[in-house]
Amino acid sequence: EADIYQTPRYLVIGTGKKITLECSQTMGHDKMYWYQQDPGMELHLIHYSYGVNSTEKGDLSSESTVSRIRTEHFPLTLESARPSHTSQYLCASSAPGTGGLSGYTFGSGTRLTVV
Amino acid sequence: ILNVEQSPQSLHVQEGDSTNFTCSFPSSNFYALHWYRWETAKSPEALFVMTLNGDEKKKGRISATLNTKEGYSYLYIKGSQPEDSATYLCAFDNYGQNFVFGPGTRLSVLP
Repeated sequence: EADIYQTPRYLVIGTGKKITLECSQTMGHDKMYWYQQDPGMELHLIHYSYGVNSTEKGDLSSESTVSRIRTEHFPLTLESARPSHTSQYLCASSAPGTGGLSGYTFGSGTRLTVV
Repeated sequence: ILNVEQSPQSLHVQEGDSTNFTCSFPSSNFYALHWYRWETAKSPEALFVMTLNGDEKKKGRISATLNTKEGYSYLYIKGSQPEDSATYLCAFDNYGQNFVFGPGTRLSVLP
């Protein structure tokens, strides 16, 4: 049973469209993350949040934006999708107040293709 | 930017073979090392959290060791089965910072 949900699982969309990838968790975790992974490459952190109204950019520059209005919800938005945005996007969360001994809990990912 | 490396990048073994792969990470500011198994179309699943030099963890046929002084961890799979086919990720955790993931080792176990 998943505690962190991502929708959609797969998305094919035309260039220039605005899209929002949804991520919700039911564990009350403060920290949430968005990772991007190209095939055969490592996970790159693109956004993270320490809690409500907190958003930070990750190590990899991204044209996407995120918001954190509620603890459980951390959506990622692309205002104008381009083929270069084709990738897998993975959402994760971690328990509050730890360096991570409880680790990250991951969603199943959204595989985005922009044509 | 911290660098976490994994080798090999991919691996094909026959069912029943034992195998191992490596995660290399910075030896300074170490807090924990996490191993995940990521099966296709599923979420990455936590396997082990390792914190102490010399740690050895085991779950069924899978085990892992940790050397924080030299900055590496080994993951071993004994008697590989087709259901072990997955990408195995390690993540370096220095307390208070975000995890740094390696690129993963993609394991295929052929029946």
